[in-house]
Amino acid sequence: GAGVSQTPSNKVTEKGKYVELRCDPISGHTALYWYRQSLGQGPEFLIYFQGTGAADDSGLPNDRFFAVRPEGSVSTLKIQRTERGDSAVYLCASSLRLAGNNEQFFGPGTRLTVL
Amino acid sequence: SQQGEEDPQALSIQEGENATMNCSYKTSINNLQWYRQNSGRGLVHLILIRSNEREKHSGRLRVTLDTSKKSSSLLITASRAADTASYFCAPSPSGNTPLVFGKGTRLSVIA
Repeated sequence: GAGVSQTPSNKVTEKGKYVELRCDPISGHTALYWYRQSLGQGPEFLIYFQGTGAADDSGLPNDRFFAVRPEGSVSTLKIQRTERGDSAVYLCASSLRLAGNNEQFFGPGTRLTVL
Repeated sequence: SQQGEEDPQALSIQEGENATMNCSYKTSINNLQWYRQNSGRGLVHLILIRSNEREKHSGRLRVTLDTSKKSSSLLITASRAADTASYFCAPSPSGNTPLVFGKGTRLSVIA
């Protein structure tokens, strides 16, 4: 079956602009996660959803970052007033249930470049 | 902190040799997972070992877990160039928290 997909694969934007990154999880997976990864670092947790609700958003760096999952499937990560420091690969993952006991399936990521 | 710390940060070996990577953590865990990442893109799950298990095998992979030392190791036997990747461990304290990743071990297998 289809894996986790993310669009776009690459996004170049200018400082101050608004961007949306989309994640399509594996069908039937109730848990969805967003991570951010900078060069040479491991994935940094941002937020995760259980169904439609954000169960833990403690990793969001500031209020310019927001994510939604209105129907419990597709999720959108929204970044307002982008800054150069937001440049990174944004990874999405899903799991059948919370990943503490289940493997996470990752998408290929969206590479965001803020000029 | 829930995050695991992988050691070494980088490892370079010849094809056919074995590669061993270690992971240390600080909290009590329910299980520990290992992931591989190629070329900075999505991570791929390799193996999950539960706190009551000491060793687990999957193909050329062997994972050990020592909860008394709060450490785990990943052994890749008879390495191949295709094993070149970054490897991450993710200790999980319970089923109710998302996984947290460290910086990983960058493995280079030279043909």
